[in-house]
Amino acid sequence: DVKVTQSSRYLVKRTGEKVFLECVQDMDHENMFWYRQDPGLGLRLIYFSYDVKMKEKGDIPEGYSVSREKKERFSLILESASTNQTSMYLCASGLGGGQGNQPQHFGDGTRLSIL
Amino acid sequence: GDSVTQMEGPVTLSEEAFLTINCTYTATGYPSLFWYVQYPGEGLQLLLKATKADDKGSNKGFEATYRKETTSFHLEKGSVQVSDSAVYFCALSQGGSEKLVFGKGMKLTVNP
Repeated sequence: DVKVTQSSRYLVKRTGEKVFLECVQDMDHENMFWYRQDPGLGLRLIYFSYDVKMKEKGDIPEGYSVSREKKERFSLILESASTNQTSMYLCASGLGGGQGNQPQHFGDGTRLSIL
Repeated sequence: GDSVTQMEGPVTLSEEAFLTINCTYTATGYPSLFWYVQYPGEGLQLLLKATKADDKGSNKGFEATYRKETTSFHLEKGSVQVSDSAVYFCALSQGGSEKLVFGKGMKLTVNP
């Protein structure tokens, strides 16, 4: 089974801090994704990556950046955390290969609170 | 752009009731369609998928049929259990990027 591991289940940070959310997958997947999940809004894509050192903006990239130095690891960075970034963050990975019909595999999420 | 519209709920049912969650989509081309489920405190898990018109996905007693003529992918289960209490998301992907477009999710509670 694919395992996607997010480094923290719960995280509390202060406004203005630089925050790192880490995600690791163990199935050699090409694609990795970061979403945020908010009540009434569903899941919204922040950034995704289809290869090492490659990244593309999703629907809501403002205030975030990402890093993918190794294939198995995809980090989400909040450059200067703000209270409106309090949310549940979900990482996912996908097989890739241009099929477009493969499912994504999700981690358990990080519930981030910015005070 | 592509979009997914689904029932949002919340919905409360009694055990053994019939469940339908409506999902319709707007997309150019021929997307793949998915239902994901999120149990309390967990991430999303794939429930079922269909990749072309008239395909039926099924898993754990749930079924959904890809209807191109009505651009729909409704989720059904004949007899729900307490353990089916979760949030259900309809989603589509198109092209080679595997990017998913999600509906807003529907919270289902099943009471004994």
